Amino acid sequence: DAGITQSPRHKVTETGTPVTLRCHQTENHRYMYWYRQDPGHGLRLIHYSYGVKDTDKGEVSDGYSVSRSKTEDFLLTLESATSSQTSVYFCAISESSVSNQPQHFGDGTRLSIL
Amino acid sequence: SQQGEEDPQALSIQEGENATMNCSYKTSINNLQWYRQNSGRGLVHLILIRSNEREKHSGRLRVTLDTSKKSSSLLITASRAADTASYFCATANNAGNMLTFGGGTRLMVKP
Repeated sequence: DAGITQSPRHKVTETGTPVTLRCHQTENHRYMYWYRQDPGHGLRLIHYSYGVKDTDKGEVSDGYSVSRSKTEDFLLTLESATSSQTSVYFCAISESSVSNQPQHFGDGTRLSIL
Repeated sequence: SQQGEEDPQALSIQEGENATMNCSYKTSINNLQWYRQNSGRGLVHLILIRSNEREKHSGRLRVTLDTSKKSSSLLITASRAADTASYFCATANNAGNMLTFGGGTRLMVKP
């Protein structure tokens, strides 16, 4: 298994609070991705990074921000969590772009916002 | 919006039978990938098929791609109980910077 660690694995918080999810990789892969998975929607891309300090928006980026200050860490922040952001969040990595390489996924963070 | 749509949404078969899942998509692609997800776990990559390829095999898996019909199929032969999982297709856009996932097929293989 690819060395991907997501933390925390579970979190319950209240509406309006800030939340930060962390993805840590030991593979030295260039690309990192954040997805959310909801029933009936499959996985949807939130943000991705193609290098340190290089990030771009995905399909559902509103309400989320990301940062990547080191190759191994990719942080996802919900500045002011809303109930609609209750979901399972997955981090993925790939050695190069998806035109050439598959993605490898962490085991997810289950986030509940009350 | 989802680029890929899997069909059927759910499939139940007996061990030893073959399982076929289909994926349709809307726009031109660089490649199409299939992933498996066991309950409570992350996705695991199965096969990547490029837009200029028509068929690819990996063990008991066979993937076909028809770009004229914008569709792909995943065949699992001689299924096992351990194949019980959700299966997702994902299309890579031509820029090669994003994967777009379908809603998945839930496969149950009964022993």
